[in-house]
Amino acid sequence: KNEVEQSPQNLTAQEGEFITINCSYSVGISALHWLQQHPGGGIVSLFMLSSGKKKHGRLIATINIQEKHSSLHITASHPRDSAVYICAYQRGAQKLVFGQGTRLTINP
Amino acid sequence: DTEVTQTPKHLVMGMTNKKSLKCEQHMGHRAMYWYKQKAKKPPELMFVYSYEKLSINESVPSRFSPECPNSSLLNLHLHALQPEDSALYLCASSPGTGAIPYEQYFGPGTRLTVT
Repeated sequence: KNEVEQSPQNLTAQEGEFITINCSYSVGISALHWLQQHPGGGIVSLFMLSSGKKKHGRLIATINIQEKHSSLHITASHPRDSAVYICAYQRGAQKLVFGQGTRLTINP
Repeated sequence: DTEVTQTPKHLVMGMTNKKSLKCEQHMGHRAMYWYKQKAKKPPELMFVYSYEKLSINESVPSRFSPECPNSSLLNLHLHALQPEDSALYLCASSPGTGAIPYEQYFGPGTRLTVT
């Protein structure tokens, strides 16, 4: 069993739709990271959060520490949002434990 | 400068070759990381350097040899690799280490093919 479970594994939507990607984990953590990776590309850190909610442009990340669950939302999705979104938790300061990723495709 | 750079972007090497991957950051970060990523899989941590000292080696085979000549530069020396070592090698850095978690900044990666 993965220590970090992401759902869905694959998601296809139409431009403009509201997108939600979920992440569950089973241990106490220091922080939860959301990362984005475009095909063939490097990884971009979207959010690091320990509690509550963060917003950046059309992206919103929330975390419920008690329920060990985090969500990434994309409002007004656009084809350029097509990428793999990876959830990772951190215990202590160094090592990230990654989920398997959610492959998002936004069609025009 | 908020960028992590990696060279080369692509590398093809034979199993008897010796090559090196290079990673550089000028953000004053004191922790640097090497990850290996196979297709459609999440990254796997290989090594962590903290204040220029190797702090984590995730049981990586000795054919991979990391080096941190200074706080801005991280190398990965490759020797006698196997075809299964073909992957995207990602470098990352973070401001520090300790009890506080830090965001990691990733480079674009080096796509390595071992023939």
